[in-house]
Amino acid sequence: QKEVEQDPGPLSVPEGAIVSLNCTYSNSAFQYFMWYRQYSRKGPELLMYTYSSGNKEDGRFTAQVDKSSKYISLFIRDSQPSDSATYLCAMNSGYALNFGKGTSLLVTP
Amino acid sequence: KAGVTQTPRYLIKTRGQQVTLSCSPISGHRSVSWYQQTPGQGLQFLFEYFSETQRNKGNFPGRFSGRQFSNSRSEMNVSTLELGDSALYLCASSLEAGETQYFGPGTRLLVL
Repeated sequence: QKEVEQDPGPLSVPEGAIVSLNCTYSNSAFQYFMWYRQYSRKGPELLMYTYSSGNKEDGRFTAQVDKSSKYISLFIRDSQPSDSATYLCAMNSGYALNFGKGTSLLVTP
Repeated sequence: KAGVTQTPRYLIKTRGQQVTLSCSPISGHRSVSWYQQTPGQGLQFLFEYFSETQRNKGNFPGRFSGRQFSNSRSEMNVSTLELGDSALYLCASSLEAGETQYFGPGTRLLVL
């Protein structure tokens, strides 16, 4: 079993919808939680970074961490076609990031 | 501030050859990590360098190696290439190990 599980999708939503992306993890040592966005043929781009349970908001993006359930989420409000990309969750227990396999999101006009 | 740069962006090699990939971190970042990304396995950690020392290594064979120079630039080398080495190789830099990592655009390697 991988330490970080993420549904690969694909997930297709209409423009303006609220998108919910999720990851579960098994390693209690993970302390830092990140969401990266990766467009086709590009490197991952950091979207959100949190280190505690609770919510963190940045514009249309909200990251949620529940350490007791070992569950993290990323919410995207008012989704746009430009949000179409692969979203990767990542967790850090020290030196290396442990990634989920990514969820492919398509926002249709 | 310029981001992480990687060269070359694309590379085609044949089995048995070796390859060297280069990464220049964000100015002031001293930690450089390398990852391999494939459709089947996703992003997997290769190794991490700090102040010219490899401090951590992922679960990859010895054919994968790297180094870091005094200006924090890093190279990774893959010897005796195999078809399964075809992947996107990503470099990420951070101020210190364990802090937020910023990725370069990657080098896409195709082994024929």
